[in-house]
Amino acid sequence: AQKITQTQPGMFVQEKEAVTLDCTYDTSDPSYGLFWYKQPSSGEMIFLIYQGSYDQQNATEGRYSLNFQKARKSANLVISASQLGDSAMYFCSPEKLVFGKGTKLTVNP
Amino acid sequence: DTGVSQDPRHKITKRGQNVTFRCDPISEHNRLYWYRQTLGQGPEFLTYFQNEAQLEKSRLLSDRFSAERPKGSFSTLEIQRTEQGDSAMYLCASSFPGLAGRYNEQFFGPGTRLTVL
Repeated sequence: AQKITQTQPGMFVQEKEAVTLDCTYDTSDPSYGLFWYKQPSSGEMIFLIYQGSYDQQNATEGRYSLNFQKARKSANLVISASQLGDSAMYFCSPEKLVFGKGTKLTVNP
Repeated sequence: DTGVSQDPRHKITKRGQNVTFRCDPISEHNRLYWYRQTLGQGPEFLTYFQNEAQLEKSRLLSDRFSAERPKGSFSTLEIQRTEQGDSAMYLCASSFPGLAGRYNEQFFGPGTRLTVL
């Protein structure tokens, strides 16, 4: 069974600074991918970024990037130049329909 | 494309009653997923469909829960004899694996919040 660990229940960051949200996982599936989703207080999950296990380069999508370390089974999300609208819950998830418990990010003005 | 919609958005019911939720996926998406989310937790997978076929069910989906997607479009999730522990947000998502340029990411609806009194 897949196990996803997000060790930071809550994180705080100043507006315009960068922040890293941690995610580690345990999978025996040789071919997998990691998704990150954002859930604002409105409740709707929003896809942010994807990293395939065979991808040679770390994924980037605008202000979002992944620090993917396959051997350590970690895929940390980096948000650069934080904005107030980034305040939300963030969940990482492999393709097999399992989500971590999430990290609550608060961006302070 | 209006996104994934769910109805109702909120449902309050008494213990022992049956409830049914509806999900309308993005029209060209062939996969549809149901999740349950309780406060402070990530979504927990319940079941998913590819077209009208229910391909996978979680052990969380007890015999009081049933889901259907009869024509491969909208889906319903029914909970019979509701219990207080069923109180949660029920999320629906859809995807289209293999769509060029996409990663099989899921597009989520706004959820149905169930409160069982």
